[in-house]
Amino acid sequence: QVQLVESGGGVVQPGRSLRLSCAASGFTFSTYPIHWVRQAPGKGLEWVALISYDGNNKYYADSVKGRFTISRDNSKNTLYLQMNSLSADDAAIYYCARGTYRLLDFWGQGTLVTVSS
Amino acid sequence: DIQMTQSPSSLSASVGDRVTITCQASQDINNYLNWYHQKPGKAPKLLIYDASNLETGVPSRFNGSGSGTVFTFTISSLQPEDIATYYCQQYDNLPPIIFGQGTRLEIK
Repeated sequence: QVQLVESGGGVVQPGRSLRLSCAASGFTFSTYPIHWVRQAPGKGLEWVALISYDGNNKYYADSVKGRFTISRDNSKNTLYLQMNSLSADDAAIYYCARGTYRLLDFWGQGTLVTVSS
Repeated sequence: DIQMTQSPSSLSASVGDRVTITCQASQDINNYLNWYHQKPGKAPKLLIYDASNLETGVPSRFNGSGSGTVFTFTISSLQPEDIATYYCQQYDNLPPIIFGQGTRLEIK
């Protein structure tokens, strides 16, 4: 069955970096665009980034552009999110989600990022 | 960017009731709208895509309609397991993908 498992979350100090991973299984990873979406505690969903199936096209929300980098390794069926210059506004559950450019049809369970000194 | 206005922000209804949620776009987005729900402590799940198409495996009591700027999501007969927060999501103008603010649905 389709599985997406996020990892790499934790507590990080403001201004520091963190890299999230998303391990995929149960489908042909290399044929799907993949998204990152985040949800601050008690808040709604915020789309963060999208990467094309081959990694050649990447899109970002204005709130993370220039600080976050989405990438993928299709040989390892894994998606990444490199997050730099983190602030309290970046604290959230981060979900990876399979889909197309237009929809997100399967989501992982998320990994929690806490930004605190 | 296109703005999405979802209403109401919260809703309380009884089992068996018909429930309706509305999402309005700031400009014409054709039928490029999807609906999700998120049960407490869980990841979101796709329910409706392209405004009115039911995702595979989703119960038929869920329905979506609309085109252009106004879209409606309906539960024909509310069930206890439908307690969740519901989100619309547009994709007419990428990037970014935009989610509505969410509608928290509770049982009376």
